[in-house]
Amino acid sequence: GNSVTQMEGPVTLSEEAFLTINCTYTATGYPSLFWYVQYPGEGLQLLLKATKADDKGSNKGFEATYRKETTSFHLEKGSVQVSDSAVYFCALRREDTDKLIFGTGTRLQVFP
Amino acid sequence: GAVVSQHPSRVICKSGTSVKIECRSLDFQATTMFWYRQFPKKSLMLMATSNEGSKATYEQGVEKDKFLINHASLTLSTLTVTSAHPEDSSFYICSAVKAGTNEQFFGPGTRLTVL
Repeated sequence: GNSVTQMEGPVTLSEEAFLTINCTYTATGYPSLFWYVQYPGEGLQLLLKATKADDKGSNKGFEATYRKETTSFHLEKGSVQVSDSAVYFCALRREDTDKLIFGTGTRLQVFP
Repeated sequence: GAVVSQHPSRVICKSGTSVKIECRSLDFQATTMFWYRQFPKKSLMLMATSNEGSKATYEQGVEKDKFLINHASLTLSTLTVTSAHPEDSSFYICSAVKAGTNEQFFGPGTRLTVL
């Protein structure tokens, strides 16, 4: 079946540290891949996406590259800020549906 | 553009009562809306797919008589939690797919607490 696996959190970093949140997926065909962010008490916001292999999604200093050979879509940021503290969800969408399949989410805590 | 609202944002109700949550796409039409439930410190669980003008499609394990979904127009879907019990307390999130695209936009969520 289709699934998304994320590293368990929380991830705790100091401001300006480098961030990596791992995400791997299992899917048939060629899914689209997404990272969503959820700030405390809010709904999900799309952070970035990639729709085909080797695509790189980027937004607000975050990046993720669609790696088909390793079925991965790891999220990275070179220098995190306190305001990046949130829960990050990796997700996939199969080609034949609008349904999103989410990972379990990774909580990021950034301290000054 | 592409704003989705939910109302109410928070609701507290007594056990045994029913609660209706609205999901609206404010500046676009949505032929499909999704309803999710989020448990504390866990991921989103898709409850059902709501299609305008037709019956909702429920995911396995979700009671359709417990969680009534109505998608009456291209901008509004409602979720009614009937005879709510404390175990129904959760964060409910909707999303809407912009008509003609596969872009999905999320609402801010509704926190339901059943006493």
